[in-house]
Amino acid sequence: AQKITQTQPGMFVQEKEAVTLDCTYDTSDPSYGLFWYKQPSSGEMIFLIYQGSYDQQNATEGRYSLNFQKARKSANLVISASQLGDSAMYFCAMTRGQNFVFGPGTRLSVLP
Amino acid sequence: ETGVTQTPRHLVMGMTNKKSLKCEQHLGHNAMYWYKQSAKKPLELMFVYNFKEQTENNSVPSRFSPECPNSSHLFLHLHTLQPEDSALYLCASSQGLAGVEETQYFGPGTRLLVL
Repeated sequence: AQKITQTQPGMFVQEKEAVTLDCTYDTSDPSYGLFWYKQPSSGEMIFLIYQGSYDQQNATEGRYSLNFQKARKSANLVISASQLGDSAMYFCAMTRGQNFVFGPGTRLSVLP
Repeated sequence: ETGVTQTPRHLVMGMTNKKSLKCEQHLGHNAMYWYKQSAKKPLELMFVYNFKEQTENNSVPSRFSPECPNSSHLFLHLHTLQPEDSALYLCASSQGLAGVEETQYFGPGTRLLVL
């Protein structure tokens, strides 16, 4: 069965610095998708970035990039130039059949 | 209105009450989802609808009753809930179910407190 692990319950980063949030996954599917979502205290889950298992290049979206290492089954999110507004919960997710499975999340706090 | 909206944003109800949560998506999607997010637990998928038809019921107790009258609207009817049902209920939509590239877009959620 698919499973997502996020080993960092909480992370701190200084404003304007880069931070990496870890995500490892377990699946036997040959084809799958990996996603990162941001959840501020307001509750809404905001889609950040997507990586397909057959994509040759790492995905990037503005300040977000995904460090995809297929052999290691890891899909770490890198946020460059952190901003105070980046403080939130971050969830890694992957496709499971026609649905998603989510990791437990990492709480990121950006310090001024 | 854009994206996925949910009402009410906050709800307090007694265990004997009946209430409904509403979700509406303005993205032209065909699939809609209900998730439950409890404190210190991963998101739990509850129900999935595709073209108004329920495709998944993730062993959800019958005190939760979903309804999908069309591809844009999704309801979650609540009755005789328990205090452990207190959680954030999130609605999501996607273009369809098929394919690994299908991104789900979420609403702001309804924070439910059962007394």
